[in-house]
Amino acid sequence: DIQLTQSPSFLSASVGDRVTITCRASQGISSYLAWYQQTPGKAPKLLIYAASTLQSGVPSRFSGSGSGTEFTLTISSLQPEDFATYYCQQLNSYPLTFGGGTEVEIK
Amino acid sequence: QVQLQESGPGLVKPSETLSLTCTVSGDSISNYYWSWSRQPPGKGLEWIGYIHSSGSTNYNPSLKSRVTMSVDTSKNQFSLKLSFVTAADTAVYYCARRDTIGYYCYWGQGILVTVSS
Repeated sequence: DIQLTQSPSFLSASVGDRVTITCRASQGISSYLAWYQQTPGKAPKLLIYAASTLQSGVPSRFSGSGSGTEFTLTISSLQPEDFATYYCQQLNSYPLTFGGGTEVEIK
Repeated sequence: QVQLQESGPGLVKPSETLSLTCTVSGDSISNYYWSWSRQPPGKGLEWIGYIHSSGSTNYNPSLKSRVTMSVDTSKNQFSLKLSFVTAADTAVYYCARRDTIGYYCYWGQGILVTVSS
């Protein structure tokens, strides 16, 4: 199975901050990576797919980059509604796997 | 607007079979891949497997011996059965659709299933 390691696992930030989350794969996954946002009691919401493509309706302050084994999710200016947990998921090979999550908290 | 809704018992006894159904509205279930994932309380996400509307399946090897998925195109539903459950199977279970872009865009709201006697 492909392991995805997210860092940090917890992040404290202020509104307006630039935030970067990293996802590292245990082997190359090309660009078959998605990023999700999850708020308490809700289902994951797709933000980014194919490593860098913004899902329709997602604000442009979210961006993704990377390929191979290292990927990043960046929020250019953190907004109050962005405080949530973020997960990466690889879709290069089965079984599909998720990263452990990054919780973004208000400082 | 595609909507998915999980349904089933919220409490299952140890060693019994967990059975959930996902009802799809707003689009046909045909010609798509449909998946189940789960999330234990306070923990991360785990992919359980998928079923295509044709009936083909792919299960996570970690659960494969206990998982069965099925699809009912006449009812626009697909289902998950997980046998011989233990407390470790307590989780919120989500159904989702893999869209034409190859990624999971549509998710159900999730259903909490607790395994306890």
